[in-house]
Amino acid sequence: DIQMTQSPSSLSASVGDRVTITCRASQGISSYLNWYQQKPGKAPDLLIYAASSLQSGVPSRFSGSGSGTDFTLTISRLQPEDFATYYCQQSYSTPYSFGQGTKLEIK
Amino acid sequence: EVQLVESGGGLVQPGGSLRLSCAASGFTFSNYWMHWVRQAPGKGLVWVSRLNNDGGSTSYSDSVKGRFTISRDNAKNMLYLQMSSLRVEDTAVYYCARDRGYSSPLDSWGQGTLVSVSS
Repeated sequence: DIQMTQSPSSLSASVGDRVTITCRASQGISSYLNWYQQKPGKAPDLLIYAASSLQSGVPSRFSGSGSGTDFTLTISRLQPEDFATYYCQQSYSTPYSFGQGTKLEIK
Repeated sequence: EVQLVESGGGLVQPGGSLRLSCAASGFTFSNYWMHWVRQAPGKGLVWVSRLNNDGGSTSYSDSVKGRFTISRDNAKNMLYLQMSSLRVEDTAVYYCARDRGYSSPLDSWGQGTLVSVSS
C-alpha cells in the first residue's frame, strides 16, 4: 500500500503570505496526486488534480507541482477564507490514501 | 447541480450492522465510479471503498475488508455501504464521493453521515 506523508502538520501564517505544503508518496505515483481543502464541519473540496491542474472555480492563487514521489501545494497570497485543513491524496492505485492533513491557521 | 446526499447513520452497538445510502442527482450516475471515505472525530480522511460505474469491480481498505460491502443501483441513482461487525473504531463521519474512473480525483462529495459505534 502507498503511504502519503504531508508536512508540516500545522502551519501559522498571515493574510497575504505565500505558503507551501509538501506531500511525499512512499513509492512513485506519476502525477496521480490530488489536493483537497476542508473547513470545519464541511466536506472536502477538490482544489488540484493530477498534481498541477486547477479544479474549475478554484482561485488561481492555488497551484500544485511535482511528480513521482514529491509534490507541493502553494498558496501565493493567503486570503482569510484559505484558513482550513489541506489533504493530499493519491489516486494511482487502491487502496487510495490520504496524507494526514495540514492545518493552516491564522498567525 | 451535482448533489450527493448520505443517510442511514446513527448509533449502533459493537458487533451490529448498519446500511448507509447515498442519493445522487444532477449528473449521469451510471458514468461515475463511487467511493466511501470516512473521518473519525477530530482526525483525518481515510479512504474506505470504491465501486466502478457498473458495479462489477470493488475495492476496500484492509480495515473494512470482509465486514463492509459497497453496492449501487444505477436505476435508482443510489450508492450503498453495508456495514457489519461494527467496531468502536468505525465511528466516523462517512462521506460518499464520485470520480470519473481510471485514477481520477474525487470531484464531488456529499455532506456526510455520522456513524457512532458504542455500547
